[in-house]
Amino acid sequence: DIVMTQSPDSLAVSLGERATINCKSSQSVLYSSNNKSYLAWYQQKPGQPPKLLIYWASTRESGVPDRFSGSGSGTDFTLTISSLHTEDVAVYYCQQYYSTPVTFGQGTRLEIK
Amino acid sequence: QLQLQESGPGLVKPSETLSLTCTVSGDSVSSSSYSWGWIRQPPGKGLEWIGNIYSSGSTYYNASLKSRVTISVDTSKSQFSLNLSSVTAADTAVYYCARPRGKPSLFDFWGQGILVTVSS
Repeated sequence: DIVMTQSPDSLAVSLGERATINCKSSQSVLYSSNNKSYLAWYQQKPGQPPKLLIYWASTRESGVPDRFSGSGSGTDFTLTISSLHTEDVAVYYCQQYYSTPVTFGQGTRLEIK
Repeated sequence: QLQLQESGPGLVKPSETLSLTCTVSGDSVSSSSYSWGWIRQPPGKGLEWIGNIYSSGSTYYNASLKSRVTISVDTSKSQFSLNLSSVTAADTAVYYCARPRGKPSLFDFWGQGILVTVSS
């Protein structure tokens, strides 16, 4: 199984500041034939299900604010929130869908400083 | 607007079978190219994929659970179901039904989830 490791486990950022969350996979999730990394990011607010934010490592899902961006390729990925809003307080998960079983990172808790 | 709603017992005894249903509205559970899935989340912990079912009739299960899991579709009721046998306390979790995208899949729409506790 591909192991997904996120860092940090928790993060406190001031409103309006940048938040950066990292995700590393135990093996590459880049499919060479299409040059796509099979990596998604989700946001989970308390008492709610996860919400898909980013797929193909950097493509925003429809309706997701453009302050959310994803980057990276192969084994190292980053989710960036360019300017933190109150409503961004949540746990964020990365997920690889390169191979079965699909696997998730342990989550990063984002709070307001 | 797609809606997914999980239902089933909130308490299951050890060694028994956990049975959950996801009711689909706003989409056809049996459209020509459907796919549906289950994911779980133990309290305060991360997400674990359980399995998916596809319109081809194929099912894909997490190997860690494969011997105990069955996912099926009931097209007449617009529902799909999860059965997990021989449960233990380690199976206590919030269970989500979701719509997969791709194969292997990410999940682009989730139900609200149902907490199932395994306890005598």
